Amino acid sequence: EAEVAQSPRYKITEKSQAVAFWCDPISGHATLYWYRQILGQGPELLVQFQDESVVDDSQLPKDRFSAERLKGVDSTLKIQPAELGDSAMYLCASSPGLRETQYFGPGTRLLVL
Amino acid sequence: DAKTTQPTSMDCAEGRAANLPCNHSTISGNEYVYWYRQIHSQGPQYIIHGLKNNETNEMASLIITEDRKSSTLILPHATLRDTAVYYCIVRPGGAMDSSYKLIFGSGTRLLVRP
Repeated sequence: EAEVAQSPRYKITEKSQAVAFWCDPISGHATLYWYRQILGQGPELLVQFQDESVVDDSQLPKDRFSAERLKGVDSTLKIQPAELGDSAMYLCASSPGLRETQYFGPGTRLLVL
Repeated sequence: DAKTTQPTSMDCAEGRAANLPCNHSTISGNEYVYWYRQIHSQGPQYIIHGLKNNETNEMASLIITEDRKSSTLILPHATLRDTAVYYCIVRPGGAMDSSYKLIFGSGTRLLVRP
């Protein structure tokens, strides 16, 4: 069964450092999502891509976060500089199209010290 | 965006049916009801979704009331591995909404007892 791949699974960094997360969606899925999940809460959308274009980045803190999906396949989410409050699980999801069911990857758990 | 209300926690005995309720009284006619679950430290797992009719798959059944203001997710024979947080989500829809993002609430924490 095809799955969304994410790496790394765990990341520990110091505040003010840069971190990057990678996501490989299910093959053929045009839509890709990045969510952030703070401990004890549900996931919240950060950014959504349709192919290589950003559809929704209204909740992305653009002063420190950036996301790209240059060839419309895999995607990278970057934080620079990391802050203590960025400690969370970062989840990637993909779907065949905008209106279709989203499938999530295992997530990257980030701890900022 | 339609909001959902779920009990904070529930429990059931292993082998019995688990019935998880969800209220979505402000749902619009073109919005779907989606259910996901999240086992500890894993990504959310898609379970099932529906619009008006009841739906069943290999994981669960979804019962939607005729007025669509509430629904129930049924796990027919719960196992210990079904212990998880279950999220009921009403997905924004319609031709003018290009985001179709999932808005997660706090969900229901289901504990399946041996």
